Amino acid sequence: GESVGLHLPTLSVQEGDNSIINCAYSNSASDYFIWYKQESGKGPQFIIDIRSNMDKRQGQRVTVLLNKTVKHLSLQIAATQPGDSAVYFCAENTNTGNQFYFGTGTSLTVIP
Amino acid sequence: KAGVTQTPRYLIKTRGQQVTLSCSPISGHRSVSWYQQTPGQGLQFLFEYFSETQRNKGNFPGRFSGRQFSNSRSEMNVSTLELGDSALYLCASSPRQGGGGELFFGEGSRLTVL
Repeated sequence: GESVGLHLPTLSVQEGDNSIINCAYSNSASDYFIWYKQESGKGPQFIIDIRSNMDKRQGQRVTVLLNKTVKHLSLQIAATQPGDSAVYFCAENTNTGNQFYFGTGTSLTVIP
Repeated sequence: KAGVTQTPRYLIKTRGQQVTLSCSPISGHRSVSWYQQTPGQGLQFLFEYFSETQRNKGNFPGRFSGRQFSNSRSEMNVSTLELGDSALYLCASSPRQGGGGELFFGEGSRLTVL
């Protein structure tokens, strides 16, 4: 994808397996979090979000877990498919407008 | 509903030149944010406009500027280009200013500075 770089963590999973992507955020005052997916040549695409008053939220095949104690966010993708191959970013917001701080991203490769 | 449209998609400039990038948000969205994406720094916030006013600004030099028009379309300008300005510039729109809610991103403008 557009964000591939030397420092991008990578994760390879077999098709059909579950994927877990982790993110450590920096600001304890952040109260809103989003996971984005970015495919090559495209802009980031919203996957799921969660507010700081929750610790878990589920979507279609995706679950986000939030641990505010250790400032950790994770994205779980169930039954990973080849179309899930992309770079995944977590983003945090402290309710100061639409200024988000993005993580470095994780490149997910699904092996057929 | 049409998505966020950015133009141009690709451009090449030389050091010292300036560049203007354009963003048309989703119809009805009044907030437009700009982000710079590079392999080394990742996605970094540049600025946000809402109702023609800059609401937030990231940590970028004054060579980076922007504006928003009454129809919510936005432009960003980079003057006196440097090699390090080579990046993907992403525009994102939102119907609200803050309070949570996703950003809808365009596909970006890929700037190469030679």
